[in-house]
Amino acid sequence: QVQLQESGPGLVKPSQTLSLTCTVSGGSISSGGYYWSWIRQHPGKGLEWIGYIYNSGSTYYNPSLKSRVTISVDTSKNQFSLKLSSVTAADTAVFYCARAVVRVVPRFDYWGQGTLVTVSS
Amino acid sequence: QSVLTQPPSVSGAPGQRVTISCTGSSSNFGAGYDVHWYQQLPGTAPKLLIYGNSNRPSGVPDRFSGSKSGTSASLAITGLQAEDEADYYCQSYDNSLSGSVFGGGTKLTVL
Repeated sequence: QVQLQESGPGLVKPSQTLSLTCTVSGGSISSGGYYWSWIRQHPGKGLEWIGYIYNSGSTYYNPSLKSRVTISVDTSKNQFSLKLSSVTAADTAVFYCARAVVRVVPRFDYWGQGTLVTVSS
Repeated sequence: QSVLTQPPSVSGAPGQRVTISCTGSSSNFGAGYDVHWYQQLPGTAPKLLIYGNSNRPSGVPDRFSGSKSGTSASLAITGLQAEDEADYYCQSYDNSLSGSVFGGGTKLTVL
């Protein structure tokens, strides 16, 4: 059973960079067939896809966030990470990491429990 | 404003059937892209409920079914139960955005 667990600071100051890591267990990031993904949910709102990475390092980002987002993978630690720069209060959200099955329309079949990140001074 | 449009809320009594619509456009459903559905129980992460328009992952009851036609998709829930009270999201791919897109979500209330 694949499990994903987000980790990182719960509080980030405005203009700084938000950094989160997702640790995968029960499966290898190096195995093909999956995108490793970040999705966020603003308080009381819907889901927003941030981006994903393939084990080769190929990345795909939401155009609305692309200029501020970097997703990277560390196969030796079976982890992948999110960096979101120049954050504002509007970036306060629950951030989920998820595994997406590679298809024409990727589907998110396993999710982490989510971590709340608040942007505030 | 989400690329995929869902009603904010639907409701039904126990045992009834409810449907949740998801309306897209020519750059997603109309281009032939599939729809997936997720259920998010209060305070938890979303769970894959339906994939590839109408397929259920192992463990999902057959009370849940999905369909897609043209630029719209639907999720149907029959034999409504109290534990079905949750938020439901549709998801697809949009070729004008070159990425995954979600609907705004629908809150299901079991009366």
